[in-house]
Amino acid sequence: QPVLTQSSSASASLGSSVKLTCTLSSGHSNYIIAWHQQQPGKAPQYLMKLEGSGSYNKGSGVPDRFSGSSSGADRYLTISNLQFEDEADYYCETWDSDAHVVFGGGTKLTVL
Amino acid sequence: EVQLVESGGGLVQPGGSLRLSCAASGFTFTNYAMSWVRQAPGEGLEWVSGISGSGGSTYYADAVKGRFTISRDNSKNTLYLQMNSLRTEDTAVFYCAKKPVGRYSSSLWYFDLWGRGTLVTVSS
Repeated sequence: QPVLTQSSSASASLGSSVKLTCTLSSGHSNYIIAWHQQQPGKAPQYLMKLEGSGSYNKGSGVPDRFSGSSSGADRYLTISNLQFEDEADYYCETWDSDAHVVFGGGTKLTVL
Repeated sequence: EVQLVESGGGLVQPGGSLRLSCAASGFTFTNYAMSWVRQAPGEGLEWVSGISGSGGSTYYADAVKGRFTISRDNSKNTLYLQMNSLRTEDTAVFYCAKKPVGRYSSSLWYFDLWGRGTLVTVSS
């Protein structure tokens, strides 16, 4: 079963860019993942699906400031022109061949 | 409007039972697989269970297998989670979530819509 590893926290200044990383475990570097955002006190929201090629498909209404990319086993979420409302927990998600879903531990993003 | 609304959470004693519901609207419910995901206080997301669009295939995390049962009534556009033998470690906000396909797909098995959640507290 794949394991997803995320840094526990990240911070960046208002108006700058930040790149969050989700790393797939050995043997699973070609897996597709999804990114989700959870603002404080709210339910998660789907951001995008991201393939190993770097191709991504965003959910409806997700701002252009959000983009995805990939390199080997790493999957990235880049947020440009950071806004205060981007302060949230970000989770990556994947799944195995038995249809079981796996989440990363989440990254808490602070906007300074 | 496309939305999922959970209900049925509450306070229950250890060993007790509870049934959660998730009402779907704004899309053709039977065409999409669904899941339950939980989040313990201050913790991350944990997948609990999933079900195909037809209801013919079900999936469970090891932590709940044998205690929880997922089901759906496509005539009522509603997803359920029957939880038995509840433990204090089951305390969490439970979310229902939708997948973009009806049955398992290696490329489309992510969640593209989440409900707002319902809180389950297991305590004596």
